[in-house]
Amino acid sequence: EIVLTQSPATLSLSPGERATLSCRASQSVSSYLAWYQQKPGQAPRLLIYDASNRATGIPPRFSGSGSGTDFTLTISSLEPEDFAVYYCQQRSNWPPFTFGPGTKVDIK
Amino acid sequence: QVQLVESGGGVVQPGRSLRLSCATSAFTFNSYGMHWVRQAPDKGLEWVAVISYDGSNRQYADSVKGRFTISRDNSKNTLYLQMNSLRAEDTAVYYCAKDHRSRIQPEGSFDYWGQGTLVTVSS
Repeated sequence: EIVLTQSPATLSLSPGERATLSCRASQSVSSYLAWYQQKPGQAPRLLIYDASNRATGIPPRFSGSGSGTDFTLTISSLEPEDFAVYYCQQRSNWPPFTFGPGTKVDIK
Repeated sequence: QVQLVESGGGVVQPGRSLRLSCATSAFTFNSYGMHWVRQAPDKGLEWVAVISYDGSNRQYADSVKGRFTISRDNSKNTLYLQMNSLRAEDTAVYYCAKDHRSRIQPEGSFDYWGQGTLVTVSS
C-alpha cells in the first residue's frame, strides 16, 4: 500500500498570503496524484488531478506540481474561502486508492 | 448539473447490516467507474470500494473486504454498498464519488461527490 504523508499538519496564514502544501509518497506514484479541498460539513472537492491539472471551475490561484514521490499544492494568494483542509490522493497503485492525512489551512 | 445523492444511513447495532444507495443524474452513469469513500468523525478520508463502469471489476479496502459489497444498477443510474457484519469502527460519513474520466478500468480521481450519509454503529 502506498502511504502518503502531508506537511505541515496545520498552516496558519493570512488572506493574501501564499500557501505551500507538501505531499510525499512512500514510493513513486508517477504523476497520478490529486488534491482535494474539504470545508466543514461539506464533501471534498477535486482541485488538481494528475499532479498539475486544474479541475473544471478551479481558479488559477491553485496550482499543483511534482512527480514521483514529492508533490506541492500552491495557493498563490489566499482568499477567505480557501481556509479549509486539503488532502492529496494517489491512484497509481491500487487497490487501495490512498489519501494523505490532510493539511489544515487556517486563518492566522 | 451532475448530482449524486446518498441515502440509507442510520444507527445500527454491531453485527447488523445496512445498504447504502447513491442515486445519480446528469451524466452517463454506465460509462464511469464509481467509488465509496468514508470519513470517520473528525478523521481523514478513507477509500472503501470501487466498481467499474459495467460492474465487472470490484475492489475493496482490506478493512471492509469480505463484509461489504459494492454494486450498481445501470438501468437506474444507482450505486449501492451492502454493509454486513458492521463494527463500531465502520462509523463514518459515507460518500459516493464519480471517476473523473471514463475508462475501461476505474480511473481513481474523484470529480463529483455526494453530500454523504452518516452510518453509526452502536449498541
